[in-house]
Amino acid sequence: AQTVTQSQPEMSVQEAETVTLSCTYDTSESDYYLFWYKQPPSRQMILVIRQEAYKQQNATENRFSVNFQKAAKSFSLKISDSQLGDAAMYFCAYRSAWASGGGADGLTFGKGTHLIIQP
Amino acid sequence: DTGVSQNPRHKITKRGQNVTFRCDPISEHNRLYWYRQTLGQGPEFLTYFQNEAQLEKSRLLSDRFSAERPKGSFSTLEIQRTEQGDSAMYLCASSLAGGITEAFFGQGTRLTVV
Repeated sequence: AQTVTQSQPEMSVQEAETVTLSCTYDTSESDYYLFWYKQPPSRQMILVIRQEAYKQQNATENRFSVNFQKAAKSFSLKISDSQLGDAAMYFCAYRSAWASGGGADGLTFGKGTHLIIQP
Repeated sequence: DTGVSQNPRHKITKRGQNVTFRCDPISEHNRLYWYRQTLGQGPEFLTYFQNEAQLEKSRLLSDRFSAERPKGSFSTLEIQRTEQGDSAMYLCASSLAGGITEAFFGQGTRLTVV
C-alpha cells in the first residue's frame, strides 16, 4: 500500500515571502500521479497542482511550483509571493496510474500542513 | 453547474441510529468517490463508483456502511447503527475519469455521533 508523509504539521510565512511544503511518499509502482490540494477553513478542497511521475519537468501553476524528485520519492510544493488567501490546510496526495483491486483509483492523502500567512 | 453538492452539511445523531448522506456530483462526471476525514488527518478513501457500478471499497468501509449510485447520478452513503468512532467529515468528489484528471470535492457532511 502507498503512504504519503507530510512532516510539517504547521508552517508560517510572511506575506509576499516564499514557503516550501514537504511531502514524501512510499510506493513500489513506477507510474503514478501526485497532487497538492488546498483546503481553506470550512470550504471544499481544491486542486493546486498535479504532476505525472513519468514527466521529469516540474509542474508550475502561476505562483505554485513543485520539486519532484522521483528517486527520492519527494514532492515538495513551493508557494512564491505568499498571499493572505493562501492560508489553508495543504494536502499532498498520491494516485496509482493503474486502477485495479485495492482501491487503487482513490487518492491517498498525507495528514496535511497548516499554512499560516503573517501579514 | 455549481459543483459537487453534499447534503446535509451537518448531522448530529444518537449512537445506534442510522444516517444517510447524499452527494450530487458534477453532472457529466462518471466517477464518484467517498472519503472520510477525521480531525487532524487527511481524507481517507472509502469507495468509488464508475457510473452506477461500485468498483472498489476500502477496508475502512465496514459492513455497517453502504453506498449506492443509482442510474449513475447522485450517490448516497448510509451508516447503520452509528458509533462514536463514525464521527467525521464525509467528503464526496467527482471526476471525469481517474488518473491525472482533477477530482472536484464537495464541502462535506460533518457527522457527530453523541
